[in-house]
Amino acid sequence: KQEVTQIPAALSVPEGENLVLNCSFTDSAIYNLQWFRQDPGKGLTSLLLIQSSQREQTSGRLNASLDKSSGRSTLYIAASQPGDSATYLCAVLNNNAGNMLTFGGGTRLMVKP
Amino acid sequence: DAGVIQSPRHEVTEMGQEVTLRCKPISGHDYLFWYRQTMMRGLELLIYFNNNVPIDDSGMPEDRFSAKMPNASFSTLKIQPSEPRDSAVYFCASSPRDRGLRAANEQFFGPGTRLTVL
Repeated sequence: KQEVTQIPAALSVPEGENLVLNCSFTDSAIYNLQWFRQDPGKGLTSLLLIQSSQREQTSGRLNASLDKSSGRSTLYIAASQPGDSATYLCAVLNNNAGNMLTFGGGTRLMVKP
Repeated sequence: DAGVIQSPRHEVTEMGQEVTLRCKPISGHDYLFWYRQTMMRGLELLIYFNNNVPIDDSGMPEDRFSAKMPNASFSTLKIQPSEPRDSAVYFCASSPRDRGLRAANEQFFGPGTRLTVL
């Protein structure tokens, strides 16, 4: 059974700092990996999707990398801003799990002005 | 496009009552997913549909839960009878079909329905 872990569970940084969020998964037979952002009381917003054949994806100040063999993904946020404060979740789609995403527990990020 | 629409946004009910949550997916999306989010268990997939047909309902916790998708633009998740432990935020998401048969594209989430069962 796929298990997805995100460390740390919470992170507080000063504005302007570059930061890395970590996601690890136990079964490397994944189809893709997706990073989401969730604001308090809101739904999830998709940030980046990495197919299993890709190593990274970039969108603005965000860069997500994928290392399938080691079961890891990182989300890099450059020049963090207070508006980046949210919970970030990663989710994997397994090759043998139909279309079921398995989510990590999330990292709650606070960027202080 | 308005995105995935869910109603109601908040629902407070008493134990034993029937609860119906509604979802309108993004037009043209072939896949629809129902998730539940709690502090203890995080985000869990309950059931998903492909072209209005339920494909996997292994995440549905009990027979008290049922989901339908009568057409491509509407789905319901019903809990009857509701219990306090059903209190959670319920999300609906939709996804377009990939080149193959997988929902390998991004999933787009609705704002969720916060359910409180007293």
